[in-house]
Formats: sequence, C-alpha cells, structure tokens
Amino acid sequence: DGGITQSPKYLFRKEGQNVTLSCEQNLNHDAMYWYRQDPGQGLRLIYYSQIVNDFQKGDIAEGYSVSREKKESFPLTVTSAQKNPTAFYLCASSIDPWTGRGETQYFGPGTRLLVL
Amino acid sequence: QQPVQSPQAVILREGEDAVINCSSSKALYSVHWYRQKHGEAPVFLMILLKGGEQKGHEKISASFNEKKQQSSLYLTASQLSYSGTYFCGTEMGGGSQGNLIFGKGTKLSVKP
Repeated sequence: DGGITQSPKYLFRKEGQNVTLSCEQNLNHDAMYWYRQDPGQGLRLIYYSQIVNDFQKGDIAEGYSVSREKKESFPLTVTSAQKNPTAFYLCASSIDPWTGRGETQYFGPGTRLLVL
Repeated sequence: QQPVQSPQAVILREGEDAVINCSSSKALYSVHWYRQKHGEAPVFLMILLKGGEQKGHEKISASFNEKKQQSSLYLTASQLSYSGTYFCGTEMGGGSQGNLIFGKGTKLSVKP
C-alpha cells in the first residue's frame, strides 16, 4: 500500500539534545513538507522540498534542519536551538507542484515531540 | 496571509447541517479542505480550484468565491463520524506552487 510513514510516534528530547524525526513516502511524490501543529494554531510550515537535494525554509524554520538525499525520505532534525519544541509534527507529500498545480498534500500519521 | 476560519467551534445534533467558512485577504489559486481527528493526521476532503473545478468526496460539498477569496464547506445531515477539526489550506496565486497556508481550524462536535 502506498503512503507516508513517520517514526517514532512519540519522541522525548532532553535539554540541549538534537533529535531527528523520520518521514518516508512510497507515493513517488516529488514534493515533501514538514509542519508543526500547536493547539489552536493550525499547521505551520517548517521546511519544504520540491526536488531531491533542494529544500526551502517555511514560516518557522529557525531551530530546525532538513535533508533530501532521496526522493522517498525527508528527515527533520529539531536542534537544541529550538527552545520550544513540544508539538505535533506532521510530514506531507504531493506530486510535482509545478506540473500538478492544484493537487493536494497527503499527510503522515505524525510524531509527537515532548521535552523532558 | 493566514486564512480566517469561522466559526471557531460548532456543536450539532446528528442530522443537523453546518457551514464552515474560510476567508483570505490574498488572491487564491485553490482552497483545500481537511478534517483531523484528535491525535491523527489531517485527512483530505476536497480541493476547489480557481475556475470552478472541484475534486473530492461525493458526500461533501463546498463552494469557492474567487472574487471574495472565500470558500465554504457544507456538511449536511451530520453524522457522529463528522466530528473533528476542519482546516482550510489556501494556495496563493503566483509563485507559491504547492505551498498551503492553513487556517486555525473549526472544531465540529456532533452529538447523538
């Protein structure tokens, strides 16, 4: 079955620690996205990538980093510079937005990050 | 740039109807609607494109007023399964292909 997987489901971070959230898709989508969701705030874009080896900052990129070495994978690292990382993190993907304008994004199940 | 959703929350009895609105101050290319259950991923419901095209679930209807940059989602004969938070995601015209800006959501509760 095609879809998007995220792991782990729950992640605990200690002060000063970097943690990496995994996102994998087998939908053959070109574009991938990372969102952060806080209660009452909706979804806010952290980073996005429209093609392998290229990615762009979203609205709240400070304290986060990403890589896109493979089409299927778009891991997100929450660095120690992110002072308030507790949130629900969602990964999404879509077909090439340049040729498939108006196609939707499909979401993974999410990772909940908590600070110890 | 964040779209404004209204109402923030609504409580219905089974079988009642509801309308959820999404309004933007910017010119839009498309509006995407999702429903999210607590602790789960948002699930795609419908896209409305500039020019009138729609894609999505047969049992859900929506409208897109391009002149007013507004979209409305119509939930008729509500069922318990309709409960959740509804988000609109707006795609701007111009060079922001694929990127969506989401509203803060409308929480819908359907009671027996």
